[in-house]
Amino acid sequence: AQKITQTQPGMFVQEKEAVTLDCTYDTSDPSYGLFWYKQPSSGEMIFLIYQGSYDQQNATEGRYSLNFQKARKSANLVISASQLGDSAMYFCAMREGTQGGSEKLVFGKGTKLTVNP
Amino acid sequence: NAGVTQTPKFRVLKTGQSMTLLCAQDMNHEYMYWYRQDPGMGLRLIHYSVGEGTTAKGEVPDGYNVSRLKKQNFLLGLESAAPSQTSVYFCASSYWGNQPQHFGDGTRLSIL
Repeated sequence: AQKITQTQPGMFVQEKEAVTLDCTYDTSDPSYGLFWYKQPSSGEMIFLIYQGSYDQQNATEGRYSLNFQKARKSANLVISASQLGDSAMYFCAMREGTQGGSEKLVFGKGTKLTVNP
Repeated sequence: NAGVTQTPKFRVLKTGQSMTLLCAQDMNHEYMYWYRQDPGMGLRLIHYSVGEGTTAKGEVPDGYNVSRLKKQNFLLGLESAAPSQTSVYFCASSYWGNQPQHFGDGTRLSIL
């Protein structure tokens, strides 16, 4: 069974608008962490934001925020005020068992975001 | 300010040849990882290491071997390359398991 599901293969957004990229996860471990990475066309993987399962507040990093809904097992990435440079692949990933022995990161298949001028 | 460096960046091999991919990090990270990325598949973990002298299997370890003789280096070996191993390979490192992983720029490997 897939542990990370990104249901949107591609998304389009107008410059300066906000966009939400969906991510749902599957785990029975009460301790886990969720990550979002950006991969531009140049190929490098860039860490964006992290949410721990015990974190009380949704994570924010500049224009990026994570809409964490634990009961629904979703961790959607919200990008505010989109810029042309936000056009890229976005990957959601999960690590189970954040207290140790949790070396493995499981990635979703990604969402390709295109920002239109 | 190097971070994670992968060598080489591109390589073409013939079926049956062997090669080693080198990953070096200068951040004193304990954990290191090798992933492969195929179209439509996201990243899949091949092998990883939680410290110098240790290695462990990930999701897709068959056909690969690894070694971590020094803390800063993590080597990925293909003993007998197969066309199914054509992929982009990423190395990553982190301090601990729940810390963000820092990635290298990737190695594009083609097996003919």
